[in-house]
Amino acid sequence: GAVVSQHPSWVICKSGTSVKIECRSLDFQATTMFWYRQFPKQSLMLMATSNEGSKATYEQGVEKDKFLINHASLTLSTLTVTSAHPEDSSFYICSARVRSTLDGYTFGSGTRLTVV
Amino acid sequence: QKEVEQDPGPLSVPEGAIVSLNCTYSNSAFQYFMWYRQYSRKGPELLMYTYSSGNKEDGRFTAQVDKSSKYISLFIRDSQPSDSATYLCAMASGSEKLVFGKGTKLTVNP
Repeated sequence: GAVVSQHPSWVICKSGTSVKIECRSLDFQATTMFWYRQFPKQSLMLMATSNEGSKATYEQGVEKDKFLINHASLTLSTLTVTSAHPEDSSFYICSARVRSTLDGYTFGSGTRLTVV
Repeated sequence: QKEVEQDPGPLSVPEGAIVSLNCTYSNSAFQYFMWYRQYSRKGPELLMYTYSSGNKEDGRFTAQVDKSSKYISLFIRDSQPSDSATYLCAMASGSEKLVFGKGTKLTVNP
């Protein structure tokens, strides 16, 4: 089946530094990828939709200058958390559409970010 | 009122029990309904997908949708310890955006 590989699985960084999270589609081309954030005991919240070769579309309330998304190829999207602060500590998950129907999403395994 | 409401639990049941998980929603535009299973520190994986009212069965899992009541359920029969996970409902109106519930944490005790 279609696999989305997400790295790193966990990262600890100091406040003020930047962190890059990678999401790769291993055996299919993903023209669209999605980035979610999940706080403990909270639902997945869509942060942005990433389209290959164009600027990402951010959800209301998500700072595009803080969460930089790059989708430079059909198999790779990256999320960079810039100048991270402790309140950015969360579980970040990417997703890609394998096919056009709504059951066609596959998710990465997530990245646990802790900012100290 | 949130678009999707889901009791976060936790829910603890003995092995072999029938588990009932539920979500309610307020947006009548939702036409597509999904249940995902998420193990600790992992991404969600799709369990069930349906777009019509009624029941859909897949092995030990049954998804039920009642659009008139804006209520969906997931039933797990003969629950196993390996079913212990967080179960998330998700819905969509037809665009590509999924709206998730908070998830219900389930523990099946041997």
